[in-house]
Amino acid sequence: QKEVEQDPGPLSVPEGAIVSLNCTYSNSAFQYFMWYRQYSRKGPELLMYTYSSGNKEDGRFTAQVDKSSKYISLFIRDSQPSDSATYLCAMTGSGGSYIPTFGRGTSLIVHP
Amino acid sequence: DSGVTQTPKHLITATGQRVTLRCSPRSGDLSVYWYQQSLDQGLQFLIQYYNGEERAKGNILERFSAQQFPDLHSELNLSSLELGDSALYFCASSVTGQLGEQFFGPGTRLTVL
Repeated sequence: QKEVEQDPGPLSVPEGAIVSLNCTYSNSAFQYFMWYRQYSRKGPELLMYTYSSGNKEDGRFTAQVDKSSKYISLFIRDSQPSDSATYLCAMTGSGGSYIPTFGRGTSLIVHP
Repeated sequence: DSGVTQTPKHLITATGQRVTLRCSPRSGDLSVYWYQQSLDQGLQFLIQYYNGEERAKGNILERFSAQQFPDLHSELNLSSLELGDSALYFCASSVTGQLGEQFFGPGTRLTVL
């Protein structure tokens, strides 16, 4: 079992839909949770960064962490074609290590 | 544009050869990370340097080595290349190397024939 599991998709939604992207993890020591967006042929770009459990909102994006279930989510409201990209979750903070462990990424396609 | 630069963008070489990938971090960032991204393995951490010193090591093969120079740019050396080394190689930088945002470069696409 991989430490971080993420459905690769692709996830195809119409413009304006609410998108839910998820990751599960097995290491209960993870404390910091991140979401990166990666456009084709580009490097990952940090979208959201949360500590421990709870919600964090930034514009159309909301990150949720449920440490009891070892489950994190990223919600995108009013999705746009420009949101089409691969979304990678990452987590860190286990045993004092701040090197992120990444999920494999979910490919999102938002069609007009 | 993240401010992290990587050269070259593309590299095509043959098995058994040696290549060097170069990374310049954002101005002011002291820490550099190297990652390998392939379709089957996802984004894998290779190695981290902080202010010229090796800080952390991930799944880096013995055929691979890296260093960070006094001007903070970094190089990743890949030798005795195999077909399976074909991948995207990303460099990222951060201010401290502790918690915080990592800024990724555009990557170098390596193809080993």
